[in-house]
Amino acid sequence: DIQMTQSPSSLSASVGDRVTITCQASHDVRKFLNWFQQKPGKAPKLLIYDASNVDTGVPSRFSGSGSGTYFTFTINSLQPEDIGTYYCLQYENLPTFGPGTKVAIK
Amino acid sequence: QVQLVESGGGVVRPGRSLRLSCAASEFTFNNFAMHWVRQAPGKGLEWVAVVSTDGSKTYHADSVKGRFTISRDNSKNTLYLQMNSLRVEDTAVYYCASLGHWGQGTLVIVSS
Repeated sequence: DIQMTQSPSSLSASVGDRVTITCQASHDVRKFLNWFQQKPGKAPKLLIYDASNVDTGVPSRFSGSGSGTYFTFTINSLQPEDIGTYYCLQYENLPTFGPGTKVAIK
Repeated sequence: QVQLVESGGGVVRPGRSLRLSCAASEFTFNNFAMHWVRQAPGKGLEWVAVVSTDGSKTYHADSVKGRFTISRDNSKNTLYLQMNSLRVEDTAVYYCASLGHWGQGTLVIVSS
């Protein structure tokens, strides 16, 4: 099984700040990695697919990069509506999620 | 607007069975592998199972292997999860997803 780690597990930042989350895979997942946002009581929402492609309708302040075993997810100018938990997911093999990063506003 | 609507959740005793369904609409259902993903209260996301587009291939997480079975009926645009021998630790919201699109989830509570 491919294990995913994410850091940090939580962060608090100010509106307008640049926020970066990293995700590491235990094995090479090439570019088969998605990023999701989840708000409390809601289903996850796809933001980034194939490591760096922004899904339709997702604001351009969200971006992703990386390949292989190391990936980053960035919110370029944090907005109040961005609070929630962010998960990476690899699907090169049977899917595995990262443990999540909880994002709060300072 | 893609819709994935889960149903079949509820409260069940340990050792009993439950069958979840997920009805898809406005969605080319038979073009996508479909998954079940669950989330225990206050915890992260856990992938449960996947079924190929034609239903011929299925894979299950080790935590549910031998107890849960994923299947699909493309003629009805519906995904299923048969859950047998349920355990307290199976308590979670269960989502069906293509991974791009997600349902709203259905809550399964396993409790004596």
